[in-house]
Amino acid sequence: SAVISQKPSRDICQRGTSLTIQCQVDSQVTMMFWYRQQPGQSLTLIATANQGSEATYESGFVIDKFPISRPNLTFSTLTVSNMSPEDSSIYLCSATEGAANEKLFFGSGTQLSVL
Amino acid sequence: AQTVTQSQPEMSVQEAETVTLSCTYDTSENNYYLFWYKQPPSRQMILVIRQEAYKQQNATENRFSVNFQKAAKSFSLKISDSQLGDTAMYFCAFMKRSGNTPLVFGKGTRLSVIA
Repeated sequence: SAVISQKPSRDICQRGTSLTIQCQVDSQVTMMFWYRQQPGQSLTLIATANQGSEATYESGFVIDKFPISRPNLTFSTLTVSNMSPEDSSIYLCSATEGAANEKLFFGSGTQLSVL
Repeated sequence: AQTVTQSQPEMSVQEAETVTLSCTYDTSENNYYLFWYKQPPSRQMILVIRQEAYKQQNATENRFSVNFQKAAKSFSLKISDSQLGDTAMYFCAFMKRSGNTPLVFGKGTRLSVIA
């Protein structure tokens, strides 16, 4: 099964700065997704990272705030831009593979705290 | 759109006892997967069990089993012989079987196993 390496595992950032989170998969995967998990909450989908094209964002999330790259089938980044304390969350990437999405994998998450 | 509802924000169980976590969902799809994920304090999302909607037989994985009632759109998780290591957040999730779509999560149930 695929393994996703996500980094950084945690960071403390100043208001107004940006942080880029990376996810590297050890095999080619069909789809990659980015989720946000606010404190004590469930996982909310931010966007689907599309290989070679612009990401598909969910309602309430915009590219200017959360730019995403996916240059190939094994790598994706999420940037949290112009951060505020409200962005303090866990950010997780996930990937699927298989003809029917039958295999799902998660990164270990990034704990972000914004001061 | 699909929705997943977990009506028990918190539950506790004595070590070695059995506990059942509830989950209901709403969808117009006929082909889909249902999952239970465990999230310990380490943040890692760990797959507990998966059910394919076209299978009538309930999935089991060692001490974990589900009661899948497709007509009622119910998908409960039973943990037998509970262990201290089972203490975690548990998320119920739904995914379409095709179309490379992401998981839709419930709000989660915090399970505490008491010695």
